[in-house]
Order: sequence, then C-alpha cells, then structure tokens
Amino acid sequence: QVQLVQSGAEVKKPGSSVKVSCKISGDTFKIHTIAWVRQAPGQGLEWVGGFIPIFGARNYAQKFQGRVTITTDESTTAAYMELNSLTSGDTAIYYCAQANLNGLPLFWGQGTLVTVSS
Amino acid sequence: EVVLTQSPGTLSLSPGERATLSCRASQSVSSNFLAWYQKKPGQAPRVLIHGASSRATGIPDRFSGSGSGADFTLTISRLEPEDFAVYYCQQYGSSPVFGQGTNLEIK
Repeated sequence: QVQLVQSGAEVKKPGSSVKVSCKISGDTFKIHTIAWVRQAPGQGLEWVGGFIPIFGARNYAQKFQGRVTITTDESTTAAYMELNSLTSGDTAIYYCAQANLNGLPLFWGQGTLVTVSS
Repeated sequence: EVVLTQSPGTLSLSPGERATLSCRASQSVSSNFLAWYQKKPGQAPRVLIHGASSRATGIPDRFSGSGSGADFTLTISRLEPEDFAVYYCQQYGSSPVFGQGTNLEIK
C-alpha cells in the first residue's frame, strides 16, 4: 500500500519561499513519477508540476515557470516542492501524488496548507 | 496548451438518478490520456477513470467514462448519497491540465 505523508501547514510572508516535503513509502519510489497539484480556497484543482521521466526532465505548468522547483531524493524516498516569490494568490492546499509511468496521479498525500499573509 | 472545459458547472440531481458530466478539450487529447477525479472537502482527489474509459482500482461500476479525441463524458448510472462532490477531468501525460470542475449537488 503506497502512502504519501506531507509536511505540516506553513504560514509565509509575501515575497518569501516555501518548501513542502512528501515522504513516500510502500512502493518502488524510483520508477514512478511525482506530481504536485494545488487547490486555492474556493477554486478548482491546478497542476503545479511534476517529474515524469518518460517525458524528459521536470515538467512545470507555464504559470509557475521560474518560480517552482521540484526535487526528489531516492535515498530518503521523499519529494519536495519549493515555490518562490510567494503572493497571497499562492495561498492554497498543495498536494503531492505518486503517478504511474504515463503521469497519471494515483496515490495522493493528505495535502499541506500554505497561507501567504503579511 | 490544452484547455479543458467542463459542463455543466453545477448539476443538481437526486439519489438514484443518472448523472452525465461533460469535458471538452480545445484540441485532441493525446493517447486518450484523460482522467476523471472526485473531490470532496477535506479529502485528496480520488481517481475514478483513466485512459478515458478504464475504471481505476476499487471504483464501483456505476461510474463509467466514454469519449475520445476532444469530447469526453463521465456517467454515474444511479447516484448514491456519497457521490455528491466536485468532479474534475484531467489531461495527464506530457502537458497535464485540469478542467474547472462540475459541482454535483443534491437536489
């Protein structure tokens, strides 16, 4: 049974950065992909980015290009999403998900609330 | 970039009725990499359908997906009380994107 456990809620100031972690257990981490999705209050799901090996390098949604970095650490079976230059518009629940080889998110973390407020 | 447009925005039905949700893409979805998710407040999304028409593991057979190219449909044959939620379609693969969602509410 694959489990993804994310780090706890964060409160950040505008202009700062946040790094959310996602610990994966119960499966062969290194052959799968990692995806990050967010949901702002009252809004829908939004793709942030992911690491999808069969499609090449890291794949970031255009609106986050230059501001987001997704990394993975196979030694600790963890993934990380760092988002810089935060604004109030980045207030959201951020989910990590482990995907299959085609990039379909299958197993999800519990979500991490990131609040950006002065 | 593909844009997914879901309709209707809100669907009001009663338990036992049939629900039909639509997802239209601005261009053809490659390899039919189209998934449907159920999202409830306080919970992570749950994948229902992938590859446009394949049910994910453990998903009841009242959920079915159909379509190809740029037009896709999620059908829930007989609504159960636990089915009332927000549903999203997603193109996955090399250029992932979500639709804006359909809110399925109790009439």
